Amino acid sequence: NAGVMQNPRHLVRRRGQEARLRCSPMKGHSHVYWYRQLPEEGLKFMVYLQKENIIDESGMPKERFSAEFPKEGPSILRIQQVVRGDSAAYFCASSERREVGTEAFFGQGTRLTVV
Amino acid sequence: AQSVTQLDSQVPVFEEAPVELRCNYSSSVSVYLFWYVQYPNQGLQLLLKYLSGSTLVESINGFEAEFNKSQTSFHLRKPSVHISDTAEYFCAVSGAAAGNKLTFGGGTRVLVKP
Repeated sequence: NAGVMQNPRHLVRRRGQEARLRCSPMKGHSHVYWYRQLPEEGLKFMVYLQKENIIDESGMPKERFSAEFPKEGPSILRIQQVVRGDSAAYFCASSERREVGTEAFFGQGTRLTVV
Repeated sequence: AQSVTQLDSQVPVFEEAPVELRCNYSSSVSVYLFWYVQYPNQGLQLLLKYLSGSTLVESINGFEAEFNKSQTSFHLRKPSVHISDTAEYFCAVSGAAAGNKLTFGGGTRVLVKP
């Protein structure tokens, strides 16, 4: 059973371009969480999705950021018109259930660099 | 709202010495506490968790953490570290209403020296 797969591992974008980050959860997991880790900081929650639904997007910036988790395929975190401040590591986690204490498995992250 | 404070950003320690990583949290509701470890260039792995019951929880690789409600702490300890314990350690909290959404501390880098 493969773990949570994120790609690409590293992504370089020029200011103004779009960044698309992909996350394939573990088999059988229908709950996906995205976190952002800015340099020298801890992880900050961005969004929680279940298949085809956004459950909690309280940590998402109001503009330029969007997320989806379609019925088929990976979850996508999309950042439009990237700026230097978007440079960070973006981690995806998945879990089998939503109840607290259910272990969330993390991917290796996508490191986005905006130049 | 919940928050987590890890007081030490870096902890250098010699091999076979003990280590303690401090974690304090604030929350207005019942909390569930976690420690995650991140090895270089890897994702986070769950080390141990406290949900209820015994306030002392242990991991399979010798770490333990104690939930102290009066001091709102969940410090992580290991009596004797190995070189392979070099990593970054994150304390996290979740509340019953938040499901599996985690609030993380800033992390503590442990560097084990021979």
